[in-house]
Amino acid sequence: GAGVSQSPSNKVTEKGKDVELRCDPISGHTALYWYRQSLGQGLEFLIYFQGNSAPDKSGLPSDRFSAERTGGSVSTLTIQRTQQEDSAVYLCASSLDTGLSYEQYFGPGTRLTVT
Amino acid sequence: QQPVQSPQAVILREGEDAVINCSSSKALYSVHWYRQKHGEAPVFLMILLKGGEQKGHEKISASFNEKKQQSSLYLTASQLSYSGTYFCGTEDNYGQNFVFGPGTRLSVLP
Repeated sequence: GAGVSQSPSNKVTEKGKDVELRCDPISGHTALYWYRQSLGQGLEFLIYFQGNSAPDKSGLPSDRFSAERTGGSVSTLTIQRTQQEDSAVYLCASSLDTGLSYEQYFGPGTRLTVT
Repeated sequence: QQPVQSPQAVILREGEDAVINCSSSKALYSVHWYRQKHGEAPVFLMILLKGGEQKGHEKISASFNEKKQQSSLYLTASQLSYSGTYFCGTEDNYGQNFVFGPGTRLSVLP
């Protein structure tokens, strides 16, 4: 079946502009995660959703970052007034449920470049 | 709190063995292992649950010592395809607060 998809695959934007990144999880997966990965670095947790609610927003770097999920499916990560330090690959993952024995399936990522 | 992984990087020749460790200062309920090849998304390897179990996947296996709050990933008779960055992810005793470690870069040379 279809895996996790993300769009766009690449995004170049000017400093100060807003961007929206989209994630389509695997059908039936209730949990959805957003991570950020800077070049050569690890996976920085941003936020996760259980259904449409986000129990843990602790990883969002600043109030310029927000995310929502509708219909228990598609999620959008929005970055307002982008800064150069926001440049990174943004990865989305989904799983059948949060925690315990559920593996996460990752999408291919969106490479964001802020000029 | 992010788990600690060691070593940070390791270089092997084909056929050699390697061990990657993941440790936490917090009590853990589960440990997840993922591998990420350059330019690709991370791919799931295995999950170990509280109880000290050991799992295997082809020539890759792992153990979880809950008393030491530590997990080890064992790669035996390494192949070129094993090259990549290995991340452990941990959940605390409440089955929440999932966080990845910084990664261990593994390079297998012919």
